[in-house]
Amino acid sequence: DAGVIQSPRHEVTEMGQEVTLRCKPISGHDYLFWYRQTMMRGLELLIYFNNNVPIDDSGMPEDRFSAKMPNASFSTLKIQPSEPRDSAVYFCASSFNSGGPLSYNEQFFGPGTRLTVL
Amino acid sequence: LAKTTQPISMDSYEGQEVNITCSHNNIATNDYITWYQQFPSQGPRFIIQGYKTKVTNEVASLFIPADRKSSTLSLPRVSLSDTAVYYCLVGGAGNNRKLIWGLGTSLAVNP
Repeated sequence: DAGVIQSPRHEVTEMGQEVTLRCKPISGHDYLFWYRQTMMRGLELLIYFNNNVPIDDSGMPEDRFSAKMPNASFSTLKIQPSEPRDSAVYFCASSFNSGGPLSYNEQFFGPGTRLTVL
Repeated sequence: LAKTTQPISMDSYEGQEVNITCSHNNIATNDYITWYQQFPSQGPRFIIQGYKTKVTNEVASLFIPADRKSSTLSLPRVSLSDTAVYYCLVGGAGNNRKLIWGLGTSLAVNP
């Protein structure tokens, strides 16, 4: 398996533009996570899905951010309109529920998308 | 959700053993303790996880005391390639797969 795939790897845009980040999780994984990483705040969980259904979006900073998972092999994170403070590295991760309710699921991260909003 | 506290940075030399301690005073009964490693320009990578006592794999050991309010990641004989940021996390099990990530510990291994 190629691992978690993210595109684009780098994105430079101007303030006010719409930005769409894409993620393909590892085949067979049933959890998908979107993170944002900055020097000041570290790694922040934005939203996560289970079987394509959003479970917790409490980390989404504001209404400008939205995420979808139309099927098990694809997810998008959209920012509209983008602002300079959205500049960060955005990671997608996936995991597989291999056991019962108390089992731990290792998260596999993609290479990230470095977003710069001018 | 359980919050963790770990040193911001550490320095070491090649060949030494490095121990990074993390405190998690409000860990819940169902929470696992997990450590991830992150190199620059890469996503975090799972190193080791445990629930209690000691766990060892090919790259590290994890020591967890009986009260589980802290844990120590031990890296034996570090090399320059172990220079990275190390994150201690609790949670991720049961119905809540959410993990709270802090700023991690930036480990610098010097020659």
